[in-house]
Amino acid sequence: QSVLTQPPSASGTPGQRVTISCSGSSSNFGSNHAHWYQQLTETAPKLLIYRDNQRPSGVPDRFSGSKSGTSASLAITGLRSEDEADYYCAVWDDSLSGWVFGGGTKLTVL
Amino acid sequence: QVQLVQSGAEVKKPGASVKVSCKASGYTFSIYDFNWVRQATGQGLEWMGWMNPISGDTGYAQKFQGRVTMTSNTPLTTAYMELSSLRSDDTAVYFCTRAERGGGIDYWGPGSLVTVSS
Repeated sequence: QSVLTQPPSASGTPGQRVTISCSGSSSNFGSNHAHWYQQLTETAPKLLIYRDNQRPSGVPDRFSGSKSGTSASLAITGLRSEDEADYYCAVWDDSLSGWVFGGGTKLTVL
Repeated sequence: QVQLVQSGAEVKKPGASVKVSCKASGYTFSIYDFNWVRQATGQGLEWMGWMNPISGDTGYAQKFQGRVTMTSNTPLTTAYMELSSLRSDDTAVYFCTRAERGGGIDYWGPGSLVTVSS
């Protein structure tokens, strides 16, 4: 059972907007930043969003992040077939003194 | 560019130990921590612990306390993760990652598959 709760699946058609939620608690999102990772099949995760809403260079602006209270969200606009992947949220947890990950959301582009 | 090159796949028997290496290049080794994360087949990501490669300070997830040891060799810019008393449910891909202090995990190695089987 993950400390962070994500929906196990999400889907959309090309061009659509999809959002993925990540629910935590005061011991993690209450005082720390959310990070998001994209994992394509059979590859290592790649940083997608850091510090709640920052994009590393090279990440398209179709990807955006937000955080409010004890939850965070990842939004993908203009959905493309190559966005089909697993998405994970992560945050430092002060009570556990370690990183915690969401269980992952499998995004399917229909 | 930042590179984290990990050691190859290993097959171990239950009760044995495994040591995975992670050779870092393309950045100043001393100013980032290493974190190790594992992923069993078809499962999510599981954080194991962190290590400051210069001071040697570590922090381990409670689940792995007493079984995991994270070390580094600064001249070789290499980090290591050793897991002992292996069980079948330790079969997973082990990722070496880089983390900015006060920031997040930003780069991931390709992963090292560890299979525990009798």
